[in-house]
Amino acid sequence: SQQGEEDPQALSIQEGENATMNCSYKTSINNLQWYRQNSGRGLVHLILIRSNEREKHSGRLRVTLDTSKKSSSLLITASRAADTASYFCATARTSYDKVIFGPGTSLSVIP
Amino acid sequence: GAGVSQSPSNKVTEKGKDVELRCDPISGHTALYWYRQSLGQGLEFLIYFQGNSAPDKSGLPSDRFSAERTGGSVSTLTIQRTQQEDSAVYLCASSLGLAQLEQYFGPGTRLTVT
Repeated sequence: SQQGEEDPQALSIQEGENATMNCSYKTSINNLQWYRQNSGRGLVHLILIRSNEREKHSGRLRVTLDTSKKSSSLLITASRAADTASYFCATARTSYDKVIFGPGTSLSVIP
Repeated sequence: GAGVSQSPSNKVTEKGKDVELRCDPISGHTALYWYRQSLGQGLEFLIYFQGNSAPDKSGLPSDRFSAERTGGSVSTLTIQRTQQEDSAVYLCASSLGLAQLEQYFGPGTRLTVT
């Protein structure tokens, strides 16, 4: 069974708006990662947050992790058309365990 | 520096035939992963390697699927007696080590079983 589930399945916003995607998981984790997939560049790693961290930033990306609720959110600020892609969360129970991907959120940013 | 490469990029095969998919990881990456992605779906974990050994084969869908890795580098995923439900994009990724969690993905092999 899948470890992570993203919400919403699809999201459409105007350029310049913020986009928020959520990921819920079922068992305890060591870390959670977010990846982006678009037709041009394939799957690309965005950010990793460990279970002892609550928030991380990378450029226009902000990731939060709430281990008590077994959930994470990815916020993209000031979205651009180039942010149009599918976004996946991926979890691992330990740092040496396999990484399991969720089904993804499809984001469309309308110019 | 080259990224992860996969070959072929596209493969069309008849039901019942065997296929081999190849993955060349980034030089120096000891961990290698195989995933499968059906149209519009997420990634399904198949198998991973640390060096030449595969600690976890639990994701392989059936005994028609096998994978090997030699020399701690190139990996081959073999699907025997292909079925139409095997049609998908097969993605390979590598990382510096299992604990180096950022995975670098190849472009994938699109397999179509007719």
